[in-house]
Amino acid sequence: AQRVTQPEKLLSVFKGAPVELKCNYSYSGSPELFWYVQYSRQRLQLLLRHISRESIKGFTADLNKGETSFHLKKPFAQEEDSAMYYCALSGAYGNKLVFGAGTILRVKS
Amino acid sequence: DVKVTQSSRYLVKRTGEKVFLECVQDMDHENMFWYRQDPGLGLRLIYFSYDVKMKEKGDIPEGYSVSREKKERFSLILESASTNQTSMYLCASSQLAGAAYEQYFGPGTRLTVT
Repeated sequence: AQRVTQPEKLLSVFKGAPVELKCNYSYSGSPELFWYVQYSRQRLQLLLRHISRESIKGFTADLNKGETSFHLKKPFAQEEDSAMYYCALSGAYGNKLVFGAGTILRVKS
Repeated sequence: DVKVTQSSRYLVKRTGEKVFLECVQDMDHENMFWYRQDPGLGLRLIYFSYDVKMKEKGDIPEGYSVSREKKERFSLILESASTNQTSMYLCASSQLAGAAYEQYFGPGTRLTVT
């Protein structure tokens, strides 16, 4: 079965501090992993995907198959990063996504 | 610009009513999805469709049905609404091929069943 675990419901950090949002997954094949973000009063949108190996808004995420993790990191948090973050996994069957429970990131000034 | 629209932002219905939630995308996407979003549970897939008139159950299809008569439109139907179906409902669409394709989301419909 495919499963995504985000252990933290809420992560609160100060502006300028490093951020790490944890994501662990369970999947027997080769997964595609994503981070989606939902800012206040905005629709859910893609932040980044592991296959692109890109940095978006200063965020990066590395797929660690040994630890089955895809943690989202940013070296210096900004207030505008405050949002709900979802880790998601796509397995063998098409484009169906399995989402984690989400982590609220609050960046305090 | 990519666009997924949902017919209502807020909806209040009574227990037992039949409820229709509509979703339209203008990107010519093959895949369309309905999720419900609940605090502490994340997004859970109700149904998805990969072509006109094709549908497949997601993880929580009980109490719901869907209809896709045209490529751009995907409807979610609550046959007899119940209070435990009070939730935020999100529609999404994506291209067909490839697991790495982005899903584009609508703004959501907050449904309250009283």
